[in-house]
Amino acid sequence: GDSVTQTEGLVTLTKGLPVMLNCTYQTTYSPFLFWYVQHLNEAPKLLLKSSTDNKRTEHQGFYATLHKSSSSFHLQKSSVQLSDSALYFCALSDRGSALGRLHFGAGTQLIVIP
Amino acid sequence: NAGVIQTPRHKVTGKGQEATLWCEPISGHSAVFWYRQTIVQGLEFLTYFRNQAPIDDSGMPKERFSAQMPNQSHSTLKIQSTQPQDSAVYLCASSPGQTNSDYTFGSGTRLLVI
Repeated sequence: GDSVTQTEGLVTLTKGLPVMLNCTYQTTYSPFLFWYVQHLNEAPKLLLKSSTDNKRTEHQGFYATLHKSSSSFHLQKSSVQLSDSALYFCALSDRGSALGRLHFGAGTQLIVIP
Repeated sequence: NAGVIQTPRHKVTGKGQEATLWCEPISGHSAVFWYRQTIVQGLEFLTYFRNQAPIDDSGMPKERFSAQMPNQSHSTLKIQSTQPQDSAVYLCASSPGQTNSDYTFGSGTRLLVI
């Protein structure tokens, strides 16, 4: 079945350093991947999305590239800020670009320290 | 745009009691999704509606959980005979209804069963 794997549960970094949060997936459909960010006591918000192989997508300094060959959609940022501290979820649509449920990874808690 | 509104924000209920959670989607959005968030399980899909009709309830526990969408302006999730393991944050999301990329989540209802 469809699934998403995020290997890091917790990432702690010093401000200004680069970060990469891992996301791999399994699906029988054409993949449509998302990254959501959830700050403490807030709603998850869409950060990035992509269904195009090998094309980088960017938003708010974060970027990710869908690689179908390796079933990956890793989230990166070149220089993290204190305000980036949050829970990050990778998600997979189970119907490609059509409306349907999302399968979420377990989430990665990012903590940025001064 | 007030976003997706969920009420109450917090609910404490005794074991065996009933809990009803409310969701008001963004005006004009035709799809409503319910997810449950726990530390252990992460974000789990429960059910969703499109144009008020139930489309997929594959994530709903078959006993004690039910969801309805009596009109386009609200949906309810009802849990009968609540158990401690039902304690979670219940998230509602709405979408204009065409693609997955337009999910907007509410801030959730934090349910505690004691």
